[in-house]
Amino acid sequence: AQSVAQPEDQVNVAEGNPLTVKCTYSVSGNPYLFWYVQYPNRGLQFLLKYITGDNLVKGSYGFEAEFNKSQTSFHLKKPSALVSDSALYFCAVPPAGGSYIPTFGRGTSLIVHP
Amino acid sequence: NAGVTQTPKFQVLKTGQSMTLQCAQDMNHEYMSWYRQDPGMGLRLIHYSVGAGITDQGEVPNGYNVSRSTTEDFPLRLLSAAPSQTSVYFCASSSNRGRSEKLFFGSGTQLSVL
Repeated sequence: AQSVAQPEDQVNVAEGNPLTVKCTYSVSGNPYLFWYVQYPNRGLQFLLKYITGDNLVKGSYGFEAEFNKSQTSFHLKKPSALVSDSALYFCAVPPAGGSYIPTFGRGTSLIVHP
Repeated sequence: NAGVTQTPKFQVLKTGQSMTLQCAQDMNHEYMSWYRQDPGMGLRLIHYSVGAGITDQGEVPNGYNVSRSTTEDFPLRLLSAAPSQTSVYFCASSSNRGRSEKLFFGSGTQLSVL
């Protein structure tokens, strides 16, 4: 079964510094991988996805993610964090077939300090 | 377009009461799903539907029922509420074009069962 893991419950970073939110995956076949963000008291919003091709995927709000097949990772990155980036971030992977309804990681709380 | 609309936003129930969480989408999406979000556990799939008249169980279906009589609506019923069902519930929808399709989420329903 396809799965993702987010090893960090919380990530703290100072405003202006680069940020990384980690995600590792376990899939059979070629992985399709997603990142979603949840701002306080809101539903989840799509950030970016990896399907195939370039290992560096660019998404919304200046975020990007690096797909690394040898390390089975799909880490979310941003060169310069903003206080407004503080939110809950989820990595997700759809199943190989059938419904395509994705499985989500546990989420990582990103806190950007002024 | 309103996207995915969930009602109510907040609800307090007593143990044993029943209620229905409403979800509607106006994007003509075939796939709809219900997740619950609990601290430290991420999003867990309750039930999902791949089209009108078709539903299936997810990871945590016990205590919940669903039906899909139209493409637009996917209500979630709590048959006899229990304190363990205190959670934030999210409805999501997507097209059926494959694993690369992103989910669109509602803004959530915060449910407390006393």
